[in-house]
Amino acid sequence: GQQVMQIPQYQHVQEGEDFTTYCNSSTTLSNIQWYKQRPGGHPVFLIQLVKSGEVKKQKRLTFQFGEAKKNSSLHITATQTTDVGTYFCAGMKTSYDKVIFGPGTSLSVIP
Amino acid sequence: EAGVAQSPRYKIIEKRQSVAFWCNPISGHATLYWYQQILGQGPKLLIQFQNNGVVDDSQLPKDRFSAERLKGVDSTLKIQPAKLEDSAVYLCASSHPWGKPKNIQYFGAGTRLSVL
Repeated sequence: GQQVMQIPQYQHVQEGEDFTTYCNSSTTLSNIQWYKQRPGGHPVFLIQLVKSGEVKKQKRLTFQFGEAKKNSSLHITATQTTDVGTYFCAGMKTSYDKVIFGPGTSLSVIP
Repeated sequence: EAGVAQSPRYKIIEKRQSVAFWCNPISGHATLYWYQQILGQGPKLLIQFQNNGVVDDSQLPKDRFSAERLKGVDSTLKIQPAKLEDSAVYLCASSHPWGKPKNIQYFGAGTRLSVL
């Protein structure tokens, strides 16, 4: 069945350093969503990417969708302690399909 | 706008007991999801409802798990009998199938289940 993988599993960075997490799907996706889950909290939607090669920015966060629509990345510039949490990508094969979550990348920021 | 409501927040039971979780989605959201999130893993979809119909329950262990959404609004997830490996956070989410963007999921705070 469809699988969504993420690397790395954990990342520890010094505050101010950059951070990137990568998401790969075993199948071509219709769209990909990114969620953030703070420690002890629930996943919160960040963004959805639909088009091949799409790049979207939210302040210090940059999201990319690969040309083949099988991979995606999230890059955070100059991390802050408020960025701490687990970042999940979630892919859909079609707009009517179920969402498959990746295992997440847990980010720790050392002040 | 009120968010997704879930109860209880925490539940501790012994193995072989039964337990039920309740979820009330955001008003107007036709799609409701139940996820199981084991510590250190991503949410795993157990069942997806569109109004009161089941869209996907392929990963629901039907020998022990059941879910219903009788009036197309709130939903109940039941486990009977519980096993140790059912210890997890059970997350409910809802989405508007015609929202923009489509299928954004809004999660509740979850129910943390511990099976002893």
